[in-house]
Amino acid sequence: DGGITQSPKYLFRKEGQNVTLSCEQNLNHDAMYWYRQDPGQGLRLIYYSQIVNDFQKGDIAEGYSVSREKKESFPLTVTSAQKNPTAFYLCASSWGSSLAGELFFGEGSRLTVL
Amino acid sequence: GQQLNQSPQSMFIQEGEDVSMNCTSSSIFNTWLWYKQDPGEGPVLLIALYKAGELTSNGRLTAQFGITRKDSFLNISASIPSDVGIYFCAGQLYQGAQKLVFGQGTRLTINP
Repeated sequence: DGGITQSPKYLFRKEGQNVTLSCEQNLNHDAMYWYRQDPGQGLRLIYYSQIVNDFQKGDIAEGYSVSREKKESFPLTVTSAQKNPTAFYLCASSWGSSLAGELFFGEGSRLTVL
Repeated sequence: GQQLNQSPQSMFIQEGEDVSMNCTSSSIFNTWLWYKQDPGEGPVLLIALYKAGELTSNGRLTAQFGITRKDSFLNISASIPSDVGIYFCAGQLYQGAQKLVFGQGTRLTINP
């Protein structure tokens, strides 16, 4: 089945530690995205990538980093510089271009900082 | 930055009732989209609207792209228990824009 796989689903981290969230898609989509979701708020864009080896900052990129070495993969690192990292993180992909708004989401990764 | 005002924030209804929710903005959008999120899952696209005035249905769901391009609404007819979840509107400022602006969501609860 085609889709987006995020791992891990749940992750606990101590303050000061970096953590990397995995996102893999087999939909052959060009564009991939990372969103952050907090209770009672809409989704906020962290980073996006339209093509391999290229990515752009979204609205809340500070304290996060990404890479796009393969079309299928777009891992997100939450660094110790992120002041409030506890949140639900969603990875998404799309065909890009005129269909950029039609996102396919993974099941999410819930990060809790202890 | 651009904001979408989604209302209501929550709804508590009886099974079988119709539901209506909407999104408004001070900005003009090229595309409006509606997503549904089940608890603990990622959102799923319900309907995408590409033309002002467009009215599109998907089963019991109907959505419209406002004439002014600044609003959209979603209706659900004859609600059933599996309609429970959070509904998000999202807007795309121009064709091909990689960034979507999301509303805060409408949480739908259904009493059987």
